[in-house]
Amino acid sequence: AQKVTQAQTEISVVEKEDVTLDCVYETRDTTYYLFWYKQPPSGELVFLIRRNSFDEQNEISGRYSWNFQKSTSSFNFTITASQVVDSAVYFCALSEAVNNNDMRFGAGTRLTVKP
Amino acid sequence: ETGVTQTPRHLVMGMTNKKSLKCEQHLGHNAMYWYKQSAKKPLELMFVYSLEERVENNSVPSRFSPECPNSSHLFLHLHTLQPEDSALYLCASSQLIGTGGYGYTFGSGTRLTVV
Repeated sequence: AQKVTQAQTEISVVEKEDVTLDCVYETRDTTYYLFWYKQPPSGELVFLIRRNSFDEQNEISGRYSWNFQKSTSSFNFTITASQVVDSAVYFCALSEAVNNNDMRFGAGTRLTVKP
Repeated sequence: ETGVTQTPRHLVMGMTNKKSLKCEQHLGHNAMYWYKQSAKKPLELMFVYSLEERVENNSVPSRFSPECPNSSHLFLHLHTLQPEDSALYLCASSQLIGTGGYGYTFGSGTRLTVV
């Protein structure tokens, strides 16, 4: 079965610092999808990005960037020039192509950005 | 404004009460999910409905009873709960199971406290 590990439980940075959230996954499937979600204090999980297993191209969206490396089974998330509004819990998730109803989430990383 | 609406946002109930959580989506999705999020625990998948049929029940105690009357609505009926059931209950929806790779859209959750 698939598994997602987010080893960093909590991270605290000062505003404008760069921060990287780690995500390591395990799966036996060759086709799978990786996701990052943000959970602000309001509670809902907000979708940030989806990446399929055949697309290792890194992606940048504003201050957010994602580094997908199949060789190390990692899908790390970097926030550049962090802001207080980035404070949230971030979840990495994995679903296998034939079984979308079994998305596995990591334990989450709580990011606190201090002014 | 999330595409998935959950009510109520907060609920306090005694162990002998019966209550229901409601989830509604108008995104055209045909799969819906209940997740439990306890403090310092990973998101736990409870139930999955695809085309209004339950396709997964992850060993959830019978004091939790889901209902999916149509593809837009999902309920979680609660009765004789225990204090350890206090948690954030999140509803999510997605496109049809099996097509893979679709992220979930989450509601803001119901914060349940059992006293």
